[in-house]
Amino acid sequence: DSGVTQTPKHLITATGQRVTLRCSPRSGDLSVYWYQQSLDQGLQFLIQYYNGEERAKGNILERFSAQQFPDLHSELNLSSLELGDSALYFCASSVLQENTGELFFGEGSRLTVL
Amino acid sequence: GENVEQHPSTLSVQEGDSAVIKCTYSDSASNYFPWYKQELGKRPQLIIDIRSNVGEKKDQRIAVTLNKTAKHFSLHITETQPEDSAVYFCAASRPGGYNKLIFGAGTRLAVHP
Repeated sequence: DSGVTQTPKHLITATGQRVTLRCSPRSGDLSVYWYQQSLDQGLQFLIQYYNGEERAKGNILERFSAQQFPDLHSELNLSSLELGDSALYFCASSVLQENTGELFFGEGSRLTVL
Repeated sequence: GENVEQHPSTLSVQEGDSAVIKCTYSDSASNYFPWYKQELGKRPQLIIDIRSNVGEKKDQRIAVTLNKTAKHFSLHITETQPEDSAVYFCAASRPGGYNKLIFGAGTRLAVHP
């Protein structure tokens, strides 16, 4: 158990819909990262937050948005869903602001868009 | 931005053999190079990392080497066991709080008994 909690574990929805994925970081970790892993693909960096502020952005689509709340949990919002958005979405946390330490990954949220 | 290339994409070895996975990075300012292991259906987990002030690091059967001049780093697994079967990801990042940890595409390692 990494200490990072992601909900829901599985989500099935239809094209055009909107979903919200939730992440609670490890106790004490201020940085939260979101990664997308499509079938048999690598880990694509989406976005990073540190203590409530956006720190780094990857190839995150405009249809996607995220935020980190004062209690440090984070949400990833995916809207106008397309079939290609089907993937495993990982949240990770670390104590560091910089990306130079271990990331602790949650179990992921598997999104299926039909 | 940073780009990390990883080879091979798949690797099949016999139990007891060694396995080597290689990665190259594009950003010469990168200074942190972790390796993550992802077992089937599980989350990625850090297995070893190396920083740019070190050329080699070992932890039991795994080792990582770094060649800053050539901008490549490698993961070495000796005496492979079936439980080493997994997808391995290399990654790289540069210092600074606004920079990203970029992963390679992954190597699927199969260790056959």
